Amino acid sequence: QKEVEQNSGPLSVPEGAIASLNCTYSDRGSQSFFWYRQYSGKSPELIMSIYSNGDKEDGRFTAQLNKASQYVSLLIRDSQPSDSATYLCAVMNSGNTPLVFGKGTRLSVIA
Amino acid sequence: DARVTQTPRHKVTEMGQEVTMRCQPILGHNTVFWYRQTMMQGLELLAYFRNRAPLDDSGMPKDRFSAEMPDATLATLKIQPSEPRDSAVYFCASGLGVTTNEKLFFGSGTQLSVL
Repeated sequence: QKEVEQNSGPLSVPEGAIASLNCTYSDRGSQSFFWYRQYSGKSPELIMSIYSNGDKEDGRFTAQLNKASQYVSLLIRDSQPSDSATYLCAVMNSGNTPLVFGKGTRLSVIA
Repeated sequence: DARVTQTPRHKVTEMGQEVTMRCQPILGHNTVFWYRQTMMQGLELLAYFRNRAPLDDSGMPKDRFSAEMPDATLATLKIQPSEPRDSAVYFCASGLGVTTNEKLFFGSGTQLSVL
């Protein structure tokens, strides 16, 4: 069974710190990787996508992918209380199948 | 501002009743997904369509759930009869196609409570 694993948290960081969110996946043939942010009572919204090994930066967000280790991470620099949410890792496995989501990591940024 | 529209936002019903949830995907999107979210299981794929054709509904309990897409602007998810264990948030999402750079856009969800 193809799985995406995340630490459920909560992960608590002080305002201004770097938050590091991690995700591992089981299908070595996975091709596309996404991070969604979900505020309490709201729907998931896409914040980052990454398709090749290395880092991808977008503002305060950096996604990192290591296909050899089957590991993807999201770094949030200068964390703000408004970043407090659940972060969902999503993986498109081989064969262009639909996204498989992890259960999410709850992030709390303390002012 | 293009968005996925879901109705109703909230539904409270009694066990055994029929529940119908509706979704209007973003215009031009040809792939529609139904996900269910619970605290225990997270987001689970129930069914999805491409160009209105059902591609996979293996995530649904076949005896009580059905998903259809009668036209390009409407997808429906029905539960009959509903059970308390169906209580969850049901999300519809749409995308441009199941490709290697699939990006999904989610509706606001239907919060279902079955008493």
